[in-house]
Amino acid sequence: QVQLQESGPGLVKPSDTLSLTCDVSNYSISNDNWWGWIRQPPGKGLEWIGYIYHSGSTYYYPSLKSRVTMSLDTSKNQVSLKLTSVTAVDTAVYYCARTMGDAYKWHAFDIWGQGTMVTVSS
Amino acid sequence: EIVLTQSPGTLSLSPGERATLSCRASQSVRDSYLAWYQQRPGQAPRLLIYGASNRATGIPDRFSGSGSRTDFTLAINRLEPEDFAVYYCQQYGNSPYSFGQGTKLEIK
Repeated sequence: QVQLQESGPGLVKPSDTLSLTCDVSNYSISNDNWWGWIRQPPGKGLEWIGYIYHSGSTYYYPSLKSRVTMSLDTSKNQVSLKLTSVTAVDTAVYYCARTMGDAYKWHAFDIWGQGTMVTVSS
Repeated sequence: EIVLTQSPGTLSLSPGERATLSCRASQSVRDSYLAWYQQRPGQAPRLLIYGASNRATGIPDRFSGSGSRTDFTLAINRLEPEDFAVYYCQQYGNSPYSFGQGTKLEIK
């Protein structure tokens, strides 16, 4: 079955760049799906960060847009997230997820990774 | 940006009862592109409902979604012990996409 696995440093210093990857198994990221990142601060709700399509098209949450970059590596079947100039408010569990399909009607996330906790602290 | 407000914040019920969760949008959600997710402690969210009323693959028919425009409902019949979790709605009809703050369904 399709599996997503996030990885990256668990601890990032303030003002540094957070870099995460999402390894996708048993499914090609070049298929007709968007690949999204969602985060969840400790004890709080879900926050949509953005998503990327295999064409390279991206959409980022407006308040994060200046700090976020998403990319795809088709040779490794990986999705990546970079978030610059992090502060404590960026501390969260970060999830990658797949949309059901490419058209807007299919933009619910049907497959999620287990998530990776990132703490921003000096 | 569409703000989704879920109510109640916490719902206390017993196994076997019926749960009704509400998600209200600050403006109309295009084409009822609204999803519901279940999140158990320590786990990733799981898609339950998409397009307001369509069950995702493998979701039991005890779960049903309804609504349109600004008012949406998730109903869970005959609550099972594993249903006690946090539920989130998400709209994906209008950019930027957004989630509600969640409803915690707890055992009474």
